[in-house]
Amino acid sequence: RKEVEQDPGPFNVPEGATVAFNCTYSNSASQSFFWYRQDCRKEPKLLMSVYSSGNEDGRFTAQLNRASQYISLLIRDSKLSDSATYLCVVRPNDYKLSFGAGTTVTVRA
Amino acid sequence: DAGVIQSPRHEVTEMGQEVTLRCKPISGHDYLFWYRQTMMRGLELLIYFNNNVPIDDSGMPEDRFSAKMPNASFSTLKIQPSEPRDSAVYFCASRLGTSGRTGELFFGEGSRLTVL
Repeated sequence: RKEVEQDPGPFNVPEGATVAFNCTYSNSASQSFFWYRQDCRKEPKLLMSVYSSGNEDGRFTAQLNRASQYISLLIRDSKLSDSATYLCVVRPNDYKLSFGAGTTVTVRA
Repeated sequence: DAGVIQSPRHEVTEMGQEVTLRCKPISGHDYLFWYRQTMMRGLELLIYFNNNVPIDDSGMPEDRFSAKMPNASFSTLKIQPSEPRDSAVYFCASRLGTSGRTGELFFGEGSRLTVL
């Protein structure tokens, strides 16, 4: 079983819509959780950390459910510039990050 | 400030040839990671270094792959001999140890390798 599993999508949504997707992780001892964003043919970049109580960063909301071992990301009021692949990332120990394969989001005009 | 610098950006080679990928981490960062990304397998950690010392190389696929970090500002990933299944984008990333809990890795732009 993969450490981190994501629905690859693609999620194809109109501008202004809300889109949400999850990922699941296998290691119940994982310590920290993150979402990274990767634009086409570019490197991954940190989007936001995911905290136990849930957290927002502008139009982005992240949630963590430790009991069910899943993480979610919700994007409100989608912009064309939100089109990217979103990588779910789990830190199973102090130094290693495990990346999911990514969920592709395409926002259309 | 300069980010992580990788070279070459693109490499096309023939099966059996040696490939060397290079990375210069962000100055002051004490962790360096090599990842490989393919459509089928996503981002896979190959090896990481702490203070120039290899800590975990369990992700290195086989003996054809080797990585070195002779000093704090330079690392290489070598494939010898290369095979078509090695075709992928290879990312180098670095991090300051104290930022571990923030999860922020700084990636280079990647080296896109095609083995014919």
